[in-house]
Amino acid sequence: ELKVEQNPLFLSMQEGKNYTIYCNYSTTSDRLYWYRQDPGKSLESLFVLLSNGAVKQEGRLMASLDTKARLSTLHITAAVHDLSATYFCAVDLKGGTDKLIFGTGTRLQVFP
Amino acid sequence: DGGITQSPKYLFRKEGQNVTLSCEQNLNHDAMYWYRQDPGQGLRLIYYSQIVNDFQKGDIAEGYSVSREKKESFPLTVTSAQKNPTAFYLCASSIDRSGGAFRNEQFFGPGTRLTVL
Repeated sequence: ELKVEQNPLFLSMQEGKNYTIYCNYSTTSDRLYWYRQDPGKSLESLFVLLSNGAVKQEGRLMASLDTKARLSTLHITAAVHDLSATYFCAVDLKGGTDKLIFGTGTRLQVFP
Repeated sequence: DGGITQSPKYLFRKEGQNVTLSCEQNLNHDAMYWYRQDPGQGLRLIYYSQIVNDFQKGDIAEGYSVSREKKESFPLTVTSAQKNPTAFYLCASSIDRSGGAFRNEQFFGPGTRLTVL
């Protein structure tokens, strides 16, 4: 059974600190996506990673993909309160199903 | 502006009543999806459609039905058979095959919050 696991599930961190969210998946895939969800809102696309070794950065967030290890990371640098949200990774299944398999989500809370 | 719209934003259903949630996109996307999200939880796939007039069950299709008569539209009906429908429903779309798309980034609508009275 295909699994996409994120850890931690909940992260409370102080402003200014660094931390990494991990996304592990159990199937072969070379395409992975990161989304952000604010409380009560929909999902917003953050990063699209389309090959092994891909690295994307936007502001204080940087995402990377290691397809051999079946691992993606979302690194937070010098966290600020505005980054408080839930972050989901999603793995693109091969084989033409067009489906994404979403991770469990990581709820990030940044406090002063 | 291109995007995905869902209506209504809030919906209240009485016991035994069927309700239909609307999802429309003008992104020329071929694939469309319906997800359910319960409080504090992740996304669960209800139904998805890769092309017009075709759709497949997701992980939790029981008590739901869909149609895909037009490329732009993918309405979801929550039937009386769905015993616990209170949740946040998200519609998404992806892939413009005419452009030779090779990635499956899904774009989400704003969601419909359904409550059973």
